[in-house]
Amino acid sequence: AQKITQTQPGMFVQEKEAVTLDCTYDTSDQSYGLFWYKQPSSGEMIFLIYQGSYDEQNATEGRYSLNFQKARKSANLVISASQLGDSAMYFCAMRLEGSQGNLIFGKGTKLSVKP
Amino acid sequence: NAGVTQTPKFRILKIGQSMTLQCAQDMNHNYMYWYRQDPGMGLKLIYYSVGAGITDKGEVPNGYNVSRSTTEDFPLRLELAAPSQTSVYFCASRPSRQGSGGAFFGQGTRLTVV
Repeated sequence: AQKITQTQPGMFVQEKEAVTLDCTYDTSDQSYGLFWYKQPSSGEMIFLIYQGSYDEQNATEGRYSLNFQKARKSANLVISASQLGDSAMYFCAMRLEGSQGNLIFGKGTKLSVKP
Repeated sequence: NAGVTQTPKFRILKIGQSMTLQCAQDMNHNYMYWYRQDPGMGLKLIYYSVGAGITDKGEVPNGYNVSRSTTEDFPLRLELAAPSQTSVYFCASRPSRQGSGGAFFGQGTRLTVV
């Protein structure tokens, strides 16, 4: 079954430190895409970063990087130099090659950044 | 540039009532989606559309209907509202089926059925 698992319901990190949010996925497809979204308390969904299954390099976008380990089927999000504004829910999601572009979401991780 | 606009932002319905959640995008995207987000859960796909006149069911379509008469609009209809439909509803769009960009999401509609 196609599935995204986020095992950390909540995480705390000290401001200015780095934090890793875990994501594992399950699919038998060879071609897929992995996404991370941020959902602040205001509720909107903000796209952060994308990794394609055939991309050889880990994706990076500013302070966000995606630690992609294909053999382990993991796609962890690393946030460097955490800021108070990073406090939010973070969702990992997968898009399959044969889909119509829709996403399969994990349950999310609530990140709290402490000053 | 409005992006994806959802209305209303909040709504309280009584059991058995009906309503339509509106979604409009101004980016000329062919692909549009409706998701629901239950407390403590990720988003689940209700319906999607790959272009005007073409819609299909997602993972949780029961109790909902959609239409896509234009590229811009993708309304979601709730008939005979039930407490189980209390949720936050998100509309999203993207220009193509694949690609490295994320989908564009609306602000969400928080629906409570009492």
